[in-house]
Amino acid sequence: SQTIHQWPATLVQPVGSPLSLECTVEGTSNPNLYWYRQAAGRGLQLLFYSVGIGQISSEVPQNLSASRPQDRQFILSSKKLLLSDSGFYLCAWSGGPSAGPQHFGDGTRLSIL
Amino acid sequence: AQKVTQAQTEISVVEKEDVTLDCVYETRDTTYYLFWYKQPPSGELVFLIRRNSFDEQNEISGRYSWNFQKSTSSFNFTITASQVVDSAVYFCALSGYMIYNQGGKLIFGQGTELSVKP
Repeated sequence: SQTIHQWPATLVQPVGSPLSLECTVEGTSNPNLYWYRQAAGRGLQLLFYSVGIGQISSEVPQNLSASRPQDRQFILSSKKLLLSDSGFYLCAWSGGPSAGPQHFGDGTRLSIL
Repeated sequence: AQKVTQAQTEISVVEKEDVTLDCVYETRDTTYYLFWYKQPPSGELVFLIRRNSFDEQNEISGRYSWNFQKSTSSFNFTITASQVVDSAVYFCALSGYMIYNQGGKLIFGQGTELSVKP
């Protein structure tokens, strides 16, 4: 069966520090991968998605970036975190070129001090 | 443009009551998919259901049921005989056929927080 792993579970970082969140999927090949952010107001905002290695689409311009160095690995990064980057980050995968369903990881709670 | 509206921000019920969570969507696609997800306090999103726009049959899964009506662009979710474990935030989401080539992105509503009290 397919599983998705996301780490770390929680992270506290100072303003201006770099960020690297990692997500890996097991049990499937060539998944679509997604990064979402959920702010305190609850809404889920799609940040990036990828349909293949090296293929990244950005939904919202900001100081975050994403990379997909391997088929089942998706990384969310920042060179300098802002206070507004605080939130709950969720990685998700779906099985290829169809409309889901998307399956989500357990999320990373990021607090910026 | 695609949009999902969950007008109910918070709902509070007493255990064993039935509760309906509303979802209204907007899309110009003739083929699209609708979803419901549950987010318990632990934070992960749990997939509940996906419906194809060509299938308007209502679906029942245990205490959960879904009413899909294209005429009113609604996809409502009913929990029968609610339990404390149903307390969570519930999200309705939409994905249009035209964008599936772009990766099958989901457009989420703002969520409805359901609190079931004993």
